[in-house]
Amino acid sequence: AQTVTQSQPEMSVQEAETVTLSCTYDTSESDYYLFWYKQPPSRQMILVIRQEAYKQQNATENRFSVNFQKAAKSFSLKISDSQLGDAAMYFCAYRVIQGAQKLVFGQGTRLTINP
Amino acid sequence: GAGVSQSPSNKVTEKGKDVELRCDPISGHTALYWYRQSLGQGLEFLIYFQGNSAPDKSGLPSDRFSAERTGGSVSTLTIQRTQQEDSAVYLCASSLAPRDRGDQPQHFGDGTRLSIL
Repeated sequence: AQTVTQSQPEMSVQEAETVTLSCTYDTSESDYYLFWYKQPPSRQMILVIRQEAYKQQNATENRFSVNFQKAAKSFSLKISDSQLGDAAMYFCAYRVIQGAQKLVFGQGTRLTINP
Repeated sequence: GAGVSQSPSNKVTEKGKDVELRCDPISGHTALYWYRQSLGQGLEFLIYFQGNSAPDKSGLPSDRFSAERTGGSVSTLTIQRTQQEDSAVYLCASSLAPRDRGDQPQHFGDGTRLSIL
């Protein structure tokens, strides 16, 4: 079974600084997607960034980038120039490409931005 | 509306009662998902509908949980004889039909917070 682990229940960072959120996963599949979602107090899950496992290049979206280490099954999220609006719960998620469409989520990391 | 709509936003009910939660997906999205988020936890998959195919019910925790999707659009998640451990936020997501290559992002609603007294 696939599992996703986020070992940091809480993180904090000073505004304008850089923070890295960790995620590891376990799977026997070779082809899959990895995601980072943001959940503000409104509860809606917002897709931050997506990585295809068959792509070696790390995905980037503006201030958000990932460090994808396939052999180590590690998928960390780096947020640069942190802003107050980045404060939220962040969830790492996994999905196989073929077959079941469900997302498998980690337990989440609560990110606090200090002004 | 432009996004996934869920109702009610909050629901408080007594233990043993039945509840129905509604999800209205984005127009044109044939895939619909239900997830459950218990307090301080990540999301747990419940059920997945895609077009006219048989739903993937592998995540439903007990036979008290059921869901249907009428006309390929609106979905209702029903919990019978509610228990206190059913208290959680129930999130619905929709997406375009899956394809062999390339991801179809899941778009989430704001969820229903269910509290069982």
